[in-house]
Amino acid sequence: NAGVTQTPKFQVLKTGQSMTLQCAQDMNHEYMSWYRQDPGMGLRLIHYSVGAGITDQGEVPNGYNVSRSTTEDFPLRLLSAAPSQTSVYFCASSYGFGDTEAFFGQGTRLTVV
Amino acid sequence: DQQVKQNSPSLSVQEGRISILNCDYTNSMFDYFLWYKKYPAEGPTFLISISSIKDKNEDGRFTVFLNKSAKHLSLHIVPSQPGDSAVYFCAASAPGDMRFGAGTRLTVKP
Repeated sequence: NAGVTQTPKFQVLKTGQSMTLQCAQDMNHEYMSWYRQDPGMGLRLIHYSVGAGITDQGEVPNGYNVSRSTTEDFPLRLLSAAPSQTSVYFCASSYGFGDTEAFFGQGTRLTVV
Repeated sequence: DQQVKQNSPSLSVQEGRISILNCDYTNSMFDYFLWYKKYPAEGPTFLISISSIKDKNEDGRFTVFLNKSAKHLSLHIVPSQPGDSAVYFCAASAPGDMRFGAGTRLTVKP
């Protein structure tokens, strides 16, 4: 099983550029989430989805958009990248939100210059 | 506001001894707590969890203790092994909310 797959693994963007971070899972999980990890701050929830067509904001949603058209995919869009969005991004999927183990992808290291 | 805190950035223990990692939280609405382990260049992997209605959960070498009145939980690893060397994250959840601590880097020396 592939589990949770994130692409790309590394990306450098210029300020103002847009891009989409891809996330796919093959475990038929209803719940999917995006986190960012910054030094000294742990992981912070950006957006999450409880099923296809349903998304909601997490702790730090500003500057990011998401959509969930299928159970398998949950892309994260940066419409106009800013240096403050330099971070490592993790996608996760799970059967439940918060009360079951989440399976994480390997992460995307994004640098905005 | 950091609602979940891991006040020890690092911990070093000898192989075979006990490792105790601590975590404090401030939000009394949290009802489920999880520990994740993370190796460099990999995503976090689930280790163990506990519901707020329990005070202890054990899985092999790993035990999590929850003290709700103190808003404190701890992860005990015994005996510690060199392969346990990683960053450990404490996480707490409430409906629609998930918060992580900043992590504790555990080093187990042979």
